[in-house]
Amino acid sequence: GIQVEQSPPDLILQEGANSTLRCNFSDSVNNLQWFHQNPWGQLINLFYIPSGTKQNGRLSATTVATERYSLLYISSSQTTDSGVYFCAVVEGNAGNMLTFGGGTRLMVKP
Amino acid sequence: DTEVTQTPKHLVMGMTNKKSLKCEQHMGHRAMYWYKQKAKKPPELMFVYSYEKLSINESVPSRFSPECPNSSLLNLHLHALQPEDSALYLCASSHIPGQGWASGRAGTYEQYFGPGTRLTVT
Repeated sequence: GIQVEQSPPDLILQEGANSTLRCNFSDSVNNLQWFHQNPWGQLINLFYIPSGTKQNGRLSATTVATERYSLLYISSSQTTDSGVYFCAVVEGNAGNMLTFGGGTRLMVKP
Repeated sequence: DTEVTQTPKHLVMGMTNKKSLKCEQHMGHRAMYWYKQKAKKPPELMFVYSYEKLSINESVPSRFSPECPNSSLLNLHLHALQPEDSALYLCASSHIPGQGWASGRAGTYEQYFGPGTRLTVT
């Protein structure tokens, strides 16, 4: 099956800093989603981005499908950005079964 | 409305108990999913229902029994669980690729997750 790797695994930022999270995947994908999991366990949809670039406020994401990676940018980080960020993909012939990366655990300090 | 609801939020059960987890969505999605998430790990797929029929079972033990009574509801029946089954159980839903009027829309296959049920088996 497809392999999904996220980096870095852990990240500590000072409030106001910018960061880039990376997701590499081993095969072609039909679907790629970025999620933020808050401390209560809720997975919050950030982006549905199998290719191209999208922006939503302080967050933006870019997926380069031909090179099999996606990037999530967080600008002017806030303490409420803390949590785990997951990248999840659907392999080309896997219906709509999401395979998750290991996540990036982000802590933003005031 | 992009909400998936799950009940209960928390559940503590003994190894001889029978309990059920419930999930509901009203987004017209015809695919529904159960995921299991252990602490500090990513979610792992357990079951997929497409058009109310079980389409994927990721080799889950029979002590977990899913049920999809209609297009909006998904249940997970639990019986004779083990302490290692303690985890966060997440439900999700999405359109099915090629599903009717939804096909071709941007974000068509996006999965939406409920808040989860945190299960402890004692």
